[in-house]
Amino acid sequence: QSVLTQTPSMSGAPGQRVTISCTGGDSNIGAGYDVHWYQQLPGTAPKLLIYSNKIRPSGIPDRFSGSKSGASASLAITGLQAEDEADYYCQSYDSSLSVLVFGTGTKVTVL
Amino acid sequence: QLQLHESGPGLVKPSETLSLTCTVTGGSISSSRSYWGWIRQPPGKGLEWIGSIYISGTIDNNLSLKSRVIIFVDTSKNQFSLKLSSVTAADTGVYYCAGQSSAYSSSALGFYYFDSWGQGSLVTVSS
Repeated sequence: QSVLTQTPSMSGAPGQRVTISCTGGDSNIGAGYDVHWYQQLPGTAPKLLIYSNKIRPSGIPDRFSGSKSGASASLAITGLQAEDEADYYCQSYDSSLSVLVFGTGTKVTVL
Repeated sequence: QLQLHESGPGLVKPSETLSLTCTVTGGSISSSRSYWGWIRQPPGKGLEWIGSIYISGTIDNNLSLKSRVIIFVDTSKNQFSLKLSSVTAADTGVYYCAGQSSAYSSSALGFYYFDSWGQGSLVTVSS
């Protein structure tokens, strides 16, 4: 089980906003390590969505935004679209375990 | 644009060694990224970091895999490789190679993210 916990599943209608949380602890997010987010469409490799808590790589729509506070981080998707239906993972580093760690993942369903 | 492609056997017998190679195109493996990593995903499950190699050759790996992991770079072929020994059925999954970047200069592994991914290679451990 990962040290970064995410809600297993979330859903929303097209156009709505969904917020995915990533909860860590004092040895990872709370220790100041950055959080990064990935989108994994069915049957494909993960794709970088947000890095260093809130920065969008080139080509990522501004519907996706990230934030971090204390030992938690969030990914918000506004104006939800059908193509956003995917698994989303957060990633950080845990200094106690000395590992790069991924969150447990959140499956987003567009109703 | 950097592209990565995994290659290797799709079937490995229990207790044997899993070997995968990642070929990097569109950039030099020596200079386009500071770290190169391996990540795996068991069927229907989440992502797990296996290990990463720095351009100097220093390796960091997931201690949960203990001493079973070897990662090395072949700069002449613009490739890096993974060897995982003594495999069991629990090692079955899709294996991804990835390039890593950081928003900060001269930062430790903890601040690196995976910004370029291969398409993944399914490896099944079975007799």
